Amino acid sequence: GIQVEQSPPDLILQEGANSTLRCNFSDSVNNLQWFHQNPWGQLINLFYIPSGTKQNGRLSATTVATERYSLLYISSSQTTDSGVYFCAVERKAQKLVFGQGTRLTINP
Amino acid sequence: NAGVTQTPKFQVLKTGQSMTLQCAQDMNHNSMYWYRQDPGMGLRLIYYSASEGTTDKGEVPNGYNVSRLNKREFSLRLESAAPSQTSVYFCASSVTGTRLYEQYFGPGTRLTVT
Repeated sequence: GIQVEQSPPDLILQEGANSTLRCNFSDSVNNLQWFHQNPWGQLINLFYIPSGTKQNGRLSATTVATERYSLLYISSSQTTDSGVYFCAVERKAQKLVFGQGTRLTINP
Repeated sequence: NAGVTQTPKFQVLKTGQSMTLQCAQDMNHNSMYWYRQDPGMGLRLIYYSASEGTTDKGEVPNGYNVSRLNKREFSLRLESAAPSQTSVYFCASSVTGTRLYEQYFGPGTRLTVT
């Protein structure tokens, strides 16, 4: 099956810093989503981005489908950005496959 | 618009007990999913239902059964709970056609099996 690898596994930053999270996938995909899992466990949709670039406030995402990777950018980090960020892809049969996540800690 | 709701939020079972996790969505989505998340890991698909009346196995279906009761509701049953089923369970829903569109998740059920 398709493999999804996220890097780095852990990231610790000071408030105000910028960060880039990466998601590599092993085969072509129909769908790619980024999620934020907050410290209370809730999964929050960030982007639905099978290709191209999208921006939402301080967050933006780019997927280069031909090169099989996606990047999530977080600018001017806030403590509320802490949590785990997951990338998930759909290869076929309408099923999402999740990466292991990047744990982001923003210190005040 | 409540989105995806799950009950219960927390549950403790003894080995061998049974229980049903409930999920409902009010977004008129045709597809629904059950995932489990173990500590420090991503989500893994247990079962899914592409439309009312159909269900299919995901990556980790052993020890579980599901029922798509109607378009809104999708339940997950553990017939004889085992400690290996201690996990956080998430339900999700989406619109699907020739492809999968954006998936939306419920708040999760934290299950402990002793």
